[in-house]
Amino acid sequence: EPEVTQTPSHQVTQMGQEVILRCVPISNHLYFYWYRQILGQKVEFLVSFYNNEISEKSEIFDDQFSVERPDGSNFTLKIRSTKLEDSAMYFCASSEARAGELFFGEGSRLTVL
Amino acid sequence: GESVGLHLPTLSVQEGDNSIINCAYSNSASDYFIWYKQESGKGPQFIIDIRSNMDKRQGQRVTVLLNKTVKHLSLQIAATQPGDSAVYFCAEKGNYGGSQGNLIFGKGTKLSVKP
Repeated sequence: EPEVTQTPSHQVTQMGQEVILRCVPISNHLYFYWYRQILGQKVEFLVSFYNNEISEKSEIFDDQFSVERPDGSNFTLKIRSTKLEDSAMYFCASSEARAGELFFGEGSRLTVL
Repeated sequence: GESVGLHLPTLSVQEGDNSIINCAYSNSASDYFIWYKQESGKGPQFIIDIRSNMDKRQGQRVTVLLNKTVKHLSLQIAATQPGDSAVYFCAEKGNYGGSQGNLIFGKGTKLSVKP
């Protein structure tokens, strides 16, 4: 069964450092998403991406965040200068259509010290 | 404002019993709802969805009920099994205001199944 894969599974970084989280969406999917989940809290939308551009972003997704699809398979989330409060589980998701079912990866845990 | 929330943070049931997990939403314009299951250390996994033009939808051992009058959503799991132990989230996906359909998740209900 096709799945969304994410790397790394866990990253520990120092405050102020740049972090890149990587995702490989399901191959025939056209819509890509990043969500985050702070420990013990609900899953929160960050950004959606379609046709090589951001289609929607939440208030969480400020100038410290960026997304990119550098090639035909990867979808990345960059945090330019990490803060303690960026510590969370980051989930990538993809869907075949705009209103289609979202398939989530297993997440990348980011710990900022 | 828009919000999706859950009535109970935890639910403990005996194996074999039926489980009912509830969810309230506030945006009457919401037209699509999904239930996700999240096991420890994993991403949310789609269980079942329902559109606002329906009030009930059944899957394998699961049923989702939608009451638009009181803006309430529930997930019923029949013959609950230990493998059903997880956190369950309802999510809202509104096609309003130009949204590309990002999901608004509720806080989650932790279901524990006792053998």
